[in-house]
This record gives sequence, structure tokens and C-alpha cells, in this order.
Amino acid sequence: QQQVKQSPQSLIVQKGGIPIINCAYENTAFDYFPWYQQFPGKGPALLIAIRPDVSEKKEGRFTISFNKSAKQFSLHIMDSQPGDSATYFCAANRSYGKLTFGQGTILTVHP
Amino acid sequence: DTEVTQTPKHLVMGMTNKKSLKCEQHMGHRAMYWYKQKAKKPPELMFVYSYEKLSINESVPSRFSPECPNSSLLNLHLHALQPEDSALYLCASSQLPGGTEKLFFGSGTQLSVL
Repeated sequence: QQQVKQSPQSLIVQKGGIPIINCAYENTAFDYFPWYQQFPGKGPALLIAIRPDVSEKKEGRFTISFNKSAKQFSLHIMDSQPGDSATYFCAANRSYGKLTFGQGTILTVHP
Repeated sequence: DTEVTQTPKHLVMGMTNKKSLKCEQHMGHRAMYWYKQKAKKPPELMFVYSYEKLSINESVPSRFSPECPNSSLLNLHLHALQPEDSALYLCASSQLPGGTEKLFFGSGTQLSVL
């Protein structure tokens, strides 16, 4: 029940493409869904986060879509750039719980 | 200053050595965390300090010993480690304890145990 399943494991797109990373969860007590971006040799950095009372949140080129009934959420990167090449982790948590990470997606954006 | 600073960046130690990892933040955050990350895996929580007191220990072996000397500093003391403990050790902080707080991660210490 604590798992967050993330797919795909890796993703390759051309510059300007729209990579989509999907996550699914089981625990209905989760009420906070962040996405972290990690570059090689660096720690993860919070990219964008959503709460279950909204179905979509956009920050710049990054959009989270949230489907509460399906217990799924996804990250879309518009107009992807080579600088977006990184590992992306979805995560889920509840107010006083432990952040549960997905397994990660390695994104490569070719020039 | 929105940084979490970790030292050293790289550490190689033998199984009989004693070493310490250091973490510092000056954002006034009251929660600090140690995570362990293996290659191509997500970070795994090890310890949480809330208001300088240990609040969560994720059943970490006693060869890892955390310490929070003050609200800005977090140490991880290492002793008699095993080769399987080789990993990236990440420190993080958040303004307050709580699952919905934004985590600020440091760049980590890449540890190799020989």
C-alpha cells in the first residue's frame, strides 16, 4: 500500500517532444504528490507538486495531471530541451508520513 | 542562502575506519534528514531530526550513528561499514517536519567502502 509505481524506466525523446512519465499509487491517504528532478552528481530537487483537490498544475514547461479516481498522476514536459535530460522521481506522502518515491525515470532529450 | 552543503563530496574508507559526513543549512529549517541512494534507485530514508531531536530511525544498522549538534548542522558518523554500504548519502532539510514539506537536498557524499 505504500508503493508508488513509476513508468517508464527510461525515455528518449527528440528536442521539442513532450515526454510523459506516469505514476500510480494505492494508498488513498496520500495527499501530496511531488516530482523531483535529479542530475548526475547532484541531489534531487523539487520540480513541481500537486495536492489531490486539483486535477492539473502547470509551472513553466512542466505540468502534473492528477486522476484521483484512478489513483494515477503524470508529469508532462512541454517543448523538452537537452538540459531536461535527468532522472525524474515521482513521490507521494501524507501529512505526517514518510515520502515514498517511485523507482525513477531516466529521461534523455536528443538535440 | 537556499543551499544544503555536504562535505566531503567523495569518501573512500576501509571497513575498520571511522569517518563522519557533515551537512549544514542556514535556511532556518527545523527538520533535517539523511537518505541513502544506490545507483539508479530512489533515495531511501535513514533518519529524521525534528527540532534537533531524532524522530525517525528507519531501522538503520548501528554502524551508522546520526548526530544533530544544533539546528544548522547534521552529522552521520560511520564505523565498521560493509562494502554494501557504498552509496550516495544525501542530506536534506525542510522548513518544518511533516510529509508535505518541500525537501531541499544537498549534492551528497559519494561513499566507497573497500
